[in-house]
Amino acid sequence: NAGVTQTPKFRILKIGQSMTLQCTQDMNHNYMYWYRQDPGMGLKLIYYSVGAGITDKGEVPNGYNVSRSTTEDFPLRLELAAPSQTSVYFCASIGGWTTDTQYFGPGTRLTVL
Amino acid sequence: KQEVTQIPAALSVPEGENLVLNCSFTDSAIYNLQWFRQDPGKGLTSLLLIQSSQREQTSGRLNASLDKSSGRSTLYIAASQPGDSATYLCAVAFSGGSNYKLTFGKGTLLTVNP
Repeated sequence: NAGVTQTPKFRILKIGQSMTLQCTQDMNHNYMYWYRQDPGMGLKLIYYSVGAGITDKGEVPNGYNVSRSTTEDFPLRLELAAPSQTSVYFCASIGGWTTDTQYFGPGTRLTVL
Repeated sequence: KQEVTQIPAALSVPEGENLVLNCSFTDSAIYNLQWFRQDPGKGLTSLLLIQSSQREQTSGRLNASLDKSSGRSTLYIAASQPGDSATYLCAVAFSGGSNYKLTFGKGTLLTVNP
């Protein structure tokens, strides 16, 4: 199993540009999550999904969109990038959220200039 | 509000020392508590998961305890090594009001000096 994979690893965007962060898991997990991590601020949940076709907002959803058309994939879309979106983005998945551990991808480091 | 707090934010110890990292949470109604390790520039790796019905879990030199009634967990690292240097995060699956989501602490940055 590859686990949770994310692409790209690094990206620099100009203000106003858009991009999609890709996330794929091969563990057949129903639950998937997008977090952002800023220095000293911990992990903040952006969006999550409990299964294909079902998504919901986390703590900091503004400026982002997600879709979940398959169990495996959970892309995060940034529209009109802003400097405040400079961060490290992590995708994660879990099989049973009350019983299992959460698996994280390696992260995408995004800089918006 | 359901919160997870980790104190201290940073800890520096000499190699070989036994150490304890602390995690506290505001609501005793939980499904489980997890400890993660994060190396610089990397994602989080799960270390130990303690279910609500359990009191502790062990893996090698690591031992995690859970006291729901007091809202506390500790991660004990025996005979610390420089390779243990990392950020350690605690996360809780609360059973009321936080469906499907873990609540994370901000982590403790551990430095083990040779």
